[in-house]
Amino acid sequence: QQQVKQSPQSLIVQKGGISIINCAYENTAFDYFPWYQQFPGKGPALLIAIRPDVSEKKEGRFTISFNKSAKQFSLHIMDSQPGDSATYFCAASGSQFYFGTGTSLTVIP
Amino acid sequence: NAGVTQTPKFQVLKTGQSMTLQCAQDMNHEYMSWYRQDPGMGLRLIHYSVGAGITDQGEVPNGYNVSRSTTEDFPLRLLSAAPSQTSVYFCASSLSGNKDTQYFGPGTRLTVL
Repeated sequence: QQQVKQSPQSLIVQKGGISIINCAYENTAFDYFPWYQQFPGKGPALLIAIRPDVSEKKEGRFTISFNKSAKQFSLHIMDSQPGDSATYFCAASGSQFYFGTGTSLTVIP
Repeated sequence: NAGVTQTPKFQVLKTGQSMTLQCAQDMNHEYMSWYRQDPGMGLRLIHYSVGAGITDQGEVPNGYNVSRSTTEDFPLRLLSAAPSQTSVYFCASSLSGNKDTQYFGPGTRLTVL
């Protein structure tokens, strides 16, 4: 059973647009929610993370929105750029670490 | 700092063969972990270690063994490789645990025939 459900599987956005990726979880013991970015042939790298005591965290063009009651969180990429084209993974951590299935983002120039 | 290093980068095995995937980090991180990445399934935790001498099972531990004799090294052993173990394997480390930034290695692509 997938502990963290991620959608969409793939996303195509025009340059300058907003990319939105959504994740949902069931386990209320999760208390750390990071997003990782992965380029082809590379290992994932931390992009931004949030803990459940805040509803939003922003770092540059990247924002996490967190809804504790709905057990959902999302990544917003503002002013999307071709260099943002990558695979994005949400994750959740309690006693163990669980990744979502990934979203392949393509930003068209 | 080299960060997290993994060897080999590529490996082809026959069913039933054994091998060890090497992982090392030079950041003095206590927490290390192994993941496998398969298409459409994201990354799944195989085993992890919170410090030298301490290991525990993750989500998909069957068919894999680990040990942690030093802070720096965390090898993953496949005792009898199966085609279902064809995957890309990533090692990661973090300073204080699974609620801290995880630094990933470049991965090992393993094919079992």
